[in-house]
Amino acid sequence: DGGITQSPKYLFRKEGQNVTLSCEQNLNHDAMYWYRQDPGQGLRLIYYSQIVNDFQKGDIAEGYSVSREKKESFPLTVTSAQKNPTAFYLCASSIDSLVNYGYTFGSGTRLTVV
Amino acid sequence: SQKIEQNSEALNIQEGKTATLTCNYTNYSPAYLQWYRQDPGRGPVFLLLIRENEKEKRKERLKVTFDTTLKQSLFHITASQPADSATYLCALEYGNTGKLIFGQGTTLQVKP
Repeated sequence: DGGITQSPKYLFRKEGQNVTLSCEQNLNHDAMYWYRQDPGQGLRLIYYSQIVNDFQKGDIAEGYSVSREKKESFPLTVTSAQKNPTAFYLCASSIDSLVNYGYTFGSGTRLTVV
Repeated sequence: SQKIEQNSEALNIQEGKTATLTCNYTNYSPAYLQWYRQDPGRGPVFLLLIRENEKEKRKERLKVTFDTTLKQSLFHITASQPADSATYLCALEYGNTGKLIFGQGTTLQVKP
């Protein structure tokens, strides 16, 4: 079955530590996205990539970094510069960058600072 | 900046009734608008896309309208069932960039 796999499902980060969230898709989609969801708020775009080896900042990119070395993979690193990282992180993909078909989302990673 | 608003209060309805959820937006004219369903602790699932030149779109018990003059979309679920209980998100694209901006979602509770 095709889809998006995010791992881990739960992640705990200590103060000052960098952590990396994994996102893998086998849908052959060109575009991939990272969103952050906080209680009572809409999804906010962190980074997106429309093609391999290229990515752009979203609305809240500070304290985060990404890479897109392979079409299937779009990992997100939450750095120590991100002051409030506790949130639910969602990875998504779409067939093309024109969003004609809607996004396919992963099941999310819940990150908690301890 | 673009702003998209959904009713933050939960909508409670009786099974069999029609649920109507509202999505309003300002400061933009999107080419299309999308609706997603999200269950607790899960990622959103795409339901419907409606383009600016389409007034209405249907899929089984779902119906979406798009009024570009009012800058509003309505999402209807007819003959609602307890299994329809979830949070529903609307999203619109902006700037021909392929990016979506999401509303905060409206939680629907269908009681048997």
